[in-house]
Amino acid sequence: QSALTQPASVSGSPGQSITISCTGTSSDVGGYNYVSWYQQHPGKAPKLMIYEVSNRPSGVSNRFSGSKSGNTASLTISGLQAEDEADYYCSSYTSSSTPDRYVFGTGTKVTVL
Amino acid sequence: EVQLVESGGGLVKPGGSLRLSCAASGFTFSSYSMNWVRQAPGKGLEWVSSISSSSSYIYYADSVKGRFTISRDNAKNSLYLQMNSLRAEDTAVYYCARPMVGVGALDYWGQGTLVTVSS
Repeated sequence: QSALTQPASVSGSPGQSITISCTGTSSDVGGYNYVSWYQQHPGKAPKLMIYEVSNRPSGVSNRFSGSKSGNTASLTISGLQAEDEADYYCSSYTSSSTPDRYVFGTGTKVTVL
Repeated sequence: EVQLVESGGGLVKPGGSLRLSCAASGFTFSSYSMNWVRQAPGKGLEWVSSISSSSSYIYYADSVKGRFTISRDNAKNSLYLQMNSLRAEDTAVYYCARPMVGVGALDYWGQGTLVTVSS
């Protein structure tokens, strides 16, 4: 299973909006509405930010939103803040059988200018 | 509060073995499948292995199949990863992670344990 494709880096100024893309295939991103997004600060464990394409876990800011079209999912961060500077990974569930199996994206470094 | 605490990492020579553990608390461990995910230094996340709640279903990434064995002890609320025939490319931080039921996402992660394979 190949990694999902993300841009290596995205940057924006405070207050701006940025979008990170995540491209897969019909066997993963395009085949299921089980796309999730994770934020990872240096030296820390990943944190779930979005699940099922566009749902936010409790406690995650509504500045984070997700969407999907075909084989490409997207994460948008609006009102960019300094604390949003981190690495972001998308992930897709790849099978209808249990237990879960996952493929992750290549990762995107978000820089707040 | 859900907690996942990994242990067992360290320095091992190529070809050697290591057993990682993940102690779970704050939720009904026996009701959840569990996963191991790793991250090589400076690299992205890589799913390693999954085990169902009753150990009936087990999956491995192709990169570790035949060398790694995932297991769990529900009585001890613990997840394990036995790693044999280790290679330099297995050097990574290994995380255990719990899924949100039914949504294909990992909502709780441990702090990770570093495995270094080097002579």
